[in-house]
Amino acid sequence: QVQLVQSGAEVKKPGASVKVSCKASGYSFTNYGISWVRQAPGQGLEWMGWISAYKGDTNYAQSFQGRVTMTTDTSTTTAYMELRRLRSDDTAVYYCARVLDALDIWGQGTVVTVSS
Amino acid sequence: QTVVTQEPSISVSPGGTVTLTCGLSSGSVSTSYYPSWYQQTPGQAPRTLIYSTNVRSSGVPDRFSGSFLGKKAALTITGAQEDDESHYYCVLYRDSGIWVFGGGTKLTVL
Repeated sequence: QVQLVQSGAEVKKPGASVKVSCKASGYSFTNYGISWVRQAPGQGLEWMGWISAYKGDTNYAQSFQGRVTMTTDTSTTTAYMELRRLRSDDTAVYYCARVLDALDIWGQGTVVTVSS
Repeated sequence: QTVVTQEPSISVSPGGTVTLTCGLSSGSVSTSYYPSWYQQTPGQAPRTLIYSTNVRSSGVPDRFSGSFLGKKAALTITGAQEDDESHYYCVLYRDSGIWVFGGGTKLTVL
């Protein structure tokens, strides 16, 4: 079946970087894009950016530009999201989602905790 | 900057009908925004309900429907059930792969 499986929870110190993976299966990876969405504790969903799995084109939300990099590896059908210069307010659950007409399939989420 | 607006909270009685809306701080929502709707219960990943205004995602009951209501996109739940009590988010598509989430609506069924 179509699914996205994300990497496990991370604990990072302020100023460090984190790289979250999202392994896709059950569909043609390069026919879709991948978006990353995060949710801080008790808050709503926040769109971070999108990458085309076919061409690697990206578009990042303004609030993350300069700190985030999204990549894909078509050989392993895996998408990655790296967030740098972490702050305490980056503590959140990070989701990947398959994108065509909508964010239609979601990963299970990865908890990233930023704490000194 | 695009700001997507949703009601912070709405209540509905079991068996009742409720409509949640999704608007813009400036302007009207149209089909070119590809409005979509997501349901999220605490501790779970979002679940896609509706995309491209009114297309139900696979496995979504037909008591969930999408439409436009005036200048806004709308999600209507007909015959609300207790397990519909969740947060609901709308998302609008902008140019070049940019998606913008609304702040979400907490739906209470009581």
